Amino acid sequence: EAQVTQNPRYLITVTGKKLTVTCSQNMNHEYMSWYRQDPGLGLRQIYYSMNVEVTDKGDVPEGYKVSRKEKRNFPLILESPSPNQTSLYFCASSLNRNTGELFFGEGSRLTVL
Amino acid sequence: AQKVTQAQTEISVVEKEDVTLDCVYETRDTTYYLFWYKQPPSGELVFLIRRNSFDEQNEISGRYSWNFQKSTSSFNFTITASQVVDSAVYFCALSEEGGKNKLTFGTGTQLKVEL
Repeated sequence: EAQVTQNPRYLITVTGKKLTVTCSQNMNHEYMSWYRQDPGLGLRQIYYSMNVEVTDKGDVPEGYKVSRKEKRNFPLILESPSPNQTSLYFCASSLNRNTGELFFGEGSRLTVL
Repeated sequence: AQKVTQAQTEISVVEKEDVTLDCVYETRDTTYYLFWYKQPPSGELVFLIRRNSFDEQNEISGRYSWNFQKSTSSFNFTITASQVVDSAVYFCALSEEGGKNKLTFGTGTQLKVEL
């Protein structure tokens, strides 16, 4: 089954404690990206990757890091989380750059106290 | 810069009513793609439709239909004979051919269908 898998699905943490949200896709897609969803703001892109070792900033990259060492994985790293990073996070992958449908993971709800 | 506006924050209807969700977009590209996604209470994002800027034909899929009008930069979504299971947040989104593999989302419309 084609899918994008994120972990953890739910996490409560404290300010400053580094965390990683993993994302893995089994569709051999080149393009992957991370979005955050906040009330009244819709979804906004954090980072994206066009292929292994190729990443770039989206609209709201501050406070986040990513890496793409393998095609299937695209982890999101919060080196020093702050309360304003409390949000619902989605990982997505796609076969085509802009024309194709994005396949989204189920979302990871993060709370930073 | 690209932008998507969903002016309707929340809509409530009674089951079996028809409902239209509005979407207005802005882009400088001549080639772009428009999408609708559904987010049910469980939280996942469900792809509904993709339209490219060169195809203005309206589309119907069961109770769902979409009206794309380049002249007014709108891509509206109509649900006919709404059902309780249609209750969700609906997002309109835009991507540009020359863009960064990015979907620009509207702020979403919360649809509540009541018995």
